Amino acid sequence: DAKTTQPTSMDCAEGRAANLPCNHSTISGNEYVYWYRQIHSQGPQYIIHGLKNNETNEMASLIITEDRKSSTLILPHATLRDTAVYYCIVRVGRDDKIIFGKGTRLHILP
Amino acid sequence: DAGVIQSPRHEVTEMGQEVTLRCKPISGHNSLFWYRQTMMRGLELLIYFNNNVPIDDSGMPEDRFSAKMPNASFSTLKIQPSEPRDSAVYFCASSYNRGQGGNTIYFGEGSWLTVV
Repeated sequence: DAKTTQPTSMDCAEGRAANLPCNHSTISGNEYVYWYRQIHSQGPQYIIHGLKNNETNEMASLIITEDRKSSTLILPHATLRDTAVYYCIVRVGRDDKIIFGKGTRLHILP
Repeated sequence: DAGVIQSPRHEVTEMGQEVTLRCKPISGHNSLFWYRQTMMRGLELLIYFNNNVPIDDSGMPEDRFSAKMPNASFSTLKIQPSEPRDSAVYFCASSYNRGQGGNTIYFGEGSWLTVV
């Protein structure tokens, strides 16, 4: 799997949009970008994934640059419950496994 | 739908004892994963199965660890004998792999193991 680079930690004010960046400069054409998060003491939770196009679901939006070398996860209106470690992962389509890095620790400030 | 179900949720055992962790994947899923999480090493993939067959066990730390998947709805991770350094949270996860990419892996809530 291609490596990803994420900031170690970020702060965001409650109610504002949280924008979490991820660099994946060595991504291959058949690798997807996945985002998971882990709230303290819970199992990792799937957020969103994409290949080339931007994606949106009820939790978040995923913006992938045209060259696919970086992406941004957007939580449109952050709440205190969004405080978690967020993992950006690139993953070969046919390959099942997910390899986690260290992620970004997001603190939502009241 | 029920998610990935793990048991026990918490276990405290003495060094040298056998530990068995259990996992029931989401119905219809054909891939199953075991992960371990510690403060020092983060989330590590131990082993994963596809259609009940072990595909990659390169993350299994040593011979004291073994995993089985006798059928599509059940898997075990066994540690024998257990050691204090095995204390960790063990996560089971499952997915449906169509071989086309884009499938999602869903995680259980974990089994918290403490070996004293």
